[in-house]
Amino acid sequence: RKEVEQDPGPFNVPEGATVAFNCTYSNSASQSFFWYRQDCRKEPKLLMSVYSSGNEDGRFTAQLNRASQYISLLIRDSKLSDSATYLCVVNVGYNQGGKLIFGQGTELSVKP
Amino acid sequence: GAVVSQHPSRVICKSGTSVKIECRSLDFQATTMFWYRQFPKQSLMLMATSNEGSKATYEQGVEKDKFLINHASLTLSTLTVTSAHPEDSSFYICSATRDSPQETQYFGPGTRLLVL
Repeated sequence: RKEVEQDPGPFNVPEGATVAFNCTYSNSASQSFFWYRQDCRKEPKLLMSVYSSGNEDGRFTAQLNRASQYISLLIRDSKLSDSATYLCVVNVGYNQGGKLIFGQGTELSVKP
Repeated sequence: GAVVSQHPSRVICKSGTSVKIECRSLDFQATTMFWYRQFPKQSLMLMATSNEGSKATYEQGVEKDKFLINHASLTLSTLTVTSAHPEDSSFYICSATRDSPQETQYFGPGTRLLVL
C-alpha cells in the first residue's frame, strides 16, 4: 500500500465547475499535511496547509480527518488557470526528520 | 520570501559521465536540504536529506556511491550523479528549510537530466 494515495486522474471539468480531490495516508503518526500544485515540467508549489479544523483560501477548501486518515481539497468555480497536477503531501513527523511523502498527484484540466 | 535556485536547469550528457547539480538558498541559511527525483507521470520521491557539515541520509534503495551529496555550507548543497546511465534521466528537485527539517520546505525550480 502506498503511503499517500490520491484519486487517479485526470479530471476534466468545465470552467466554473466544483471539483473535489481525495487523499488517504497510511502513517497514523503523520503530523502535518499539505496540498501542492505542480505545473507541467515545473517544481511543486505549496497551495495550502491542511488542518483538522478545515481551512479555506478563496476558492480552495481543505479538510483533514485524522481518524480516517483522509485529506480533501475542494476547488469551487474552477478557472482555466487551475489546470495543473495537485499533490497531496504528508510530513511523516519529527522523529523521521520531517520527511515529506508525496502522493502520485491528480491531474486537473479545466476546459472553456 | 525564501528563494531556492538550482543549476543547471537542464543538462544532457553522455552515458558514463558525471553530472553535478547545485542547489542554493539565496536569501536564507538552510540547515537542511532535501533532494528529490521525479520520473515522468510519477510523483516526487525523496532521495536523501542533507545537513550542513554532516553526511547525507539516503532513502532506502538510493545508492549513496552513485548519488554523491555535499552540503558544504548553509547555502549550498550539490548532488553529483556519477557514471550516469539513461535510467538516471529524470527531474531532480531540491528543497531547503530555514530552521529545522520540520519547517516549510522551499523548492528549487528543478534540473532536468537527460542521459544519452
